[in-house]
Amino acid sequence: GAVVSQHPSRVICKSGTSVKIECRSLDFQATTMFWYRQFPKQSLMLMATSNEGSKATYEQGVEKDKFLINHASLTLSTLTVTSAHPEDSSFYICRVSGGIYNEQFFGPGTRLTVL
Amino acid sequence: QKEVEQNSGPLSVPEGAIASLNCTYSDRGSQSFFWYRQYSGKSPELIMFIYSNGDKEDGRFTAQLNKASQYVSLLIRDSQPSDSATYLCAVDGSLGGGATNKLIFGTGTLLAVQP
Repeated sequence: GAVVSQHPSRVICKSGTSVKIECRSLDFQATTMFWYRQFPKQSLMLMATSNEGSKATYEQGVEKDKFLINHASLTLSTLTVTSAHPEDSSFYICRVSGGIYNEQFFGPGTRLTVL
Repeated sequence: QKEVEQNSGPLSVPEGAIASLNCTYSDRGSQSFFWYRQYSGKSPELIMFIYSNGDKEDGRFTAQLNKASQYVSLLIRDSQPSDSATYLCAVDGSLGGGATNKLIFGTGTLLAVQP
């Protein structure tokens, strides 16, 4: 079964609204979660690294006030795209890291479309 | 800036042939290397990882690493149409290497296996 889940899998919203994406680790405690964004026909771009109980570390060029990350527990991290615009339309994927064997798993992704 | 380079393809091979996918990386200190397969609209799935110079085989897949040349490749033997996907090379961009953390992805190579 799935080790990592993301919700929602697909979301369409109007420009200016905020969208929250959840990433859940189902089988182990994820000490670290990573958020990636992938535009069509492009590779995954790391947006931020999220550690449980501490502030996320954002990659250069990623606005921390626009992409709010909360890693409140060892099984849940959320990414909120605030005041979304059409250029934020993308495939958002989380990756979790943890467990006794430092396992790594990708979530199934969330397709965001901003109209 | 750390970079991972791949030929975007498409790489077209006939069914049953060997597909060879290549990747170069810029950070000489990188120690962990990964190959992911990504079907259209889906999140990446791990195929193989390699840490040491030389070859690592797993079924029809062989990963090859040459740290001196900063080059990692993936060979797929007896290619099947179901292998048609984008193959992403990823390098651990964490300081000091070791455990997989901050993966830096290449742009991916689209493989098309012709029946």
